[in-house]
Amino acid sequence: DQQVKQNSPSLSVQEGRISILNCDYTNSMFDYFLWYKKYPAEGPTFLISISSIKDKNEDGRFTVFLNKSAKHLSLHIVPSQPGDSAVYFCAASVGNYGQNFVFGPGTRLSVLP
Amino acid sequence: NAGVTQTPKFRVLKTGQSMTLLCAQDMNHEYMYWYRQDPGMGLRLIHYSVGEGTTAKGEVPDGYNVSRLKKQNFLLGLESAAPSQTSVYFCASSRGAGSGYTFGSGTRLTVV
Repeated sequence: DQQVKQNSPSLSVQEGRISILNCDYTNSMFDYFLWYKKYPAEGPTFLISISSIKDKNEDGRFTVFLNKSAKHLSLHIVPSQPGDSAVYFCAASVGNYGQNFVFGPGTRLSVLP
Repeated sequence: NAGVTQTPKFRVLKTGQSMTLLCAQDMNHEYMYWYRQDPGMGLRLIHYSVGEGTTAKGEVPDGYNVSRLKKQNFLLGLESAAPSQTSVYFCASSRGAGSGYTFGSGTRLTVV
């Protein structure tokens, strides 16, 4: 059973609007979360992280929200741009020791011009 | 600055053949990892290394071996390839605890 779930395989959003990508996890011990972005034929690249001591982290157009009670996090992209079209992976770990991240299956975001 | 380089980028193997995937990083990172990506499964950790000369098993280690003889290189070996090992393989490195990963661009392996 997957410990990190991204239940939407794909999402389409109009340019300039908000993109919301969701991630759910089952292991209540997870306390560190990351989002990665992946373009075709490239490796994933780190986007943003959040630890369980926070419920929100912002970096420019990207904001991650964490709801520990619901075991849910979301990535908001505002405003969405065509260059944001990619696959987004959510990852979680117990502690941040660098070797035990569990990745979700990914959500493909398409931002339409 | 090359970051993480994986070779080869593509490979087709016959069942039972062996091969080695090479990962090289030029960032002096301590930690290195091998993941596989399969449709609907996300990235799953095969093996990892927390320093030169050390390796450890990840979530899906069976059928694979690894070596980290030099800090900058992490090799993934398939001794007897099986069709179930058809996948895209990603190598990554990190400075260690508290650091995000830098990924290579992947190796697409098909076992027929």
